[in-house]
Amino acid sequence: AQSVTQLGSHVSVSEGALVLLRCNYSSSVPPYLFWYVQYPNQGLQLLLKYTTGATLVKGINGFEAEFKKSETSFHLTKPSAHMSDAAEYFCAVYTGGGNKLTFGTGTQLKVEL
Amino acid sequence: GAGVSQSPSNKVTEKGKDVELRCDPISGHTALYWYRQSLGQGLEFLIYFQGNSAPDKSGLPSDRFSAERTGGSVSTLTIQRTQQEDSAVYLCASSLVSIAGGGEQYFGPGTRLTVT
Repeated sequence: AQSVTQLGSHVSVSEGALVLLRCNYSSSVPPYLFWYVQYPNQGLQLLLKYTTGATLVKGINGFEAEFKKSETSFHLTKPSAHMSDAAEYFCAVYTGGGNKLTFGTGTQLKVEL
Repeated sequence: GAGVSQSPSNKVTEKGKDVELRCDPISGHTALYWYRQSLGQGLEFLIYFQGNSAPDKSGLPSDRFSAERTGGSVSTLTIQRTQQEDSAVYLCASSLVSIAGGGEQYFGPGTRLTVT
């Protein structure tokens, strides 16, 4: 069975600093990988996804993630944090066998002045 | 266009009572999903509907949980004889194309259920 691990349930960065949110997965088949963002009292919004092809994926709001098969990772980065980036971020994986995503437990990002 | 809507946004119920949660997917989306988000947990898959096919109920935690989708559109998640551990945010999502086809799930704002 597949699983998703997000290291760090809370991450704090200064405004303008690099954002790095970690995601590792386990899967016996090539995965589809997703990052979602959830603002307070809202549903999840897709930031970016990897299905096939180029391993560096660019998403909305300046975020990007790189699929590294050898490391079974799909870390999310943004060069310069903005106050509006404060939210909860979820990594998810799809490996077939039913149309459902397996989500990590989320990382709460705090951006400080 | 309108996104996925869910009602009610908040529901407080007494232990043992039944509750119904409603989801209106984006018009034309054939796939509909229910997830549960408990405090400090990721999203837990509950059930998936695709068109007129039999739903994938593999994520329902007990037989107290059921869901239906009428006319391929609106869906209702029913929890019978609620327990305190059912307290969570219940999220609905819909998609035009399946995940396997590279489709994107669009999420509603959720229903926060509190069982007292």
